[in-house]
Amino acid sequence: DAGVIQSPRHEVTEMGQEVTLRCKPISGHNSLFWYRQTMMRGLELLIYFNNNVPIDDSGMPEDRFSAKMPNASFSTLKIQPSEPRDSAVYFCASSNRGDYGYTFGSGTRLTVV
Amino acid sequence: GDSVTQMEGPVTLSEEAFLTINCTYTATGYPSLFWYVQYPGEGLQLLLKATKADDKGSNKGFEATYRKETTSFHLEKGSVQVSDSAVYFCALTGSARQLTFGSGTQLTVLP
Repeated sequence: DAGVIQSPRHEVTEMGQEVTLRCKPISGHNSLFWYRQTMMRGLELLIYFNNNVPIDDSGMPEDRFSAKMPNASFSTLKIQPSEPRDSAVYFCASSNRGDYGYTFGSGTRLTVV
Repeated sequence: GDSVTQMEGPVTLSEEAFLTINCTYTATGYPSLFWYVQYPGEGLQLLLKATKADDKGSNKGFEATYRKETTSFHLEKGSVQVSDSAVYFCALTGSARQLTFGSGTQLTVLP
């Protein structure tokens, strides 16, 4: 199994541009999570999906952020327009059973200049 | 709601020293407990887990015991190595079935 695959690994963009982060969960996992990690705030859960349906998006910081999961094997997190304070590492994780833990991707390091 | 409190870092140890990173939790019901490790530039990896009281999770020489009476899940290793330098996160899944993380503890092991 290739694990959770995120792309791109690094993204540098200018303020105001649209950014799209991508995630392919582990096959057979029915839950998918997007996290943001910064030095100041640590790990924050942005949104999670169960069976492709968004369950809790209360962690999404603003309307500039949106996430979709059109099928069981793909999800995107979009920021439009991006701002310098969005600079962080964004992780995707998937799970089959929450009580067995999640598998994390390697993350996307986003820098907005 | 659910919460996890873990030992403030950073922690600096010499190679072969004994490691303890404290973790306590607040949750309703019977949460599952986890330790994750994050090496520089990488994502989080599951280190060990315990799903019920008195269970001991272990992996790579690390251990943690689920103590319901003290609501704790302290991470221990008898002899750390330079390669153990990383950030360690305590976490739980409670009734909401979401992972709740502690703030992380940076461990540096010196040769």
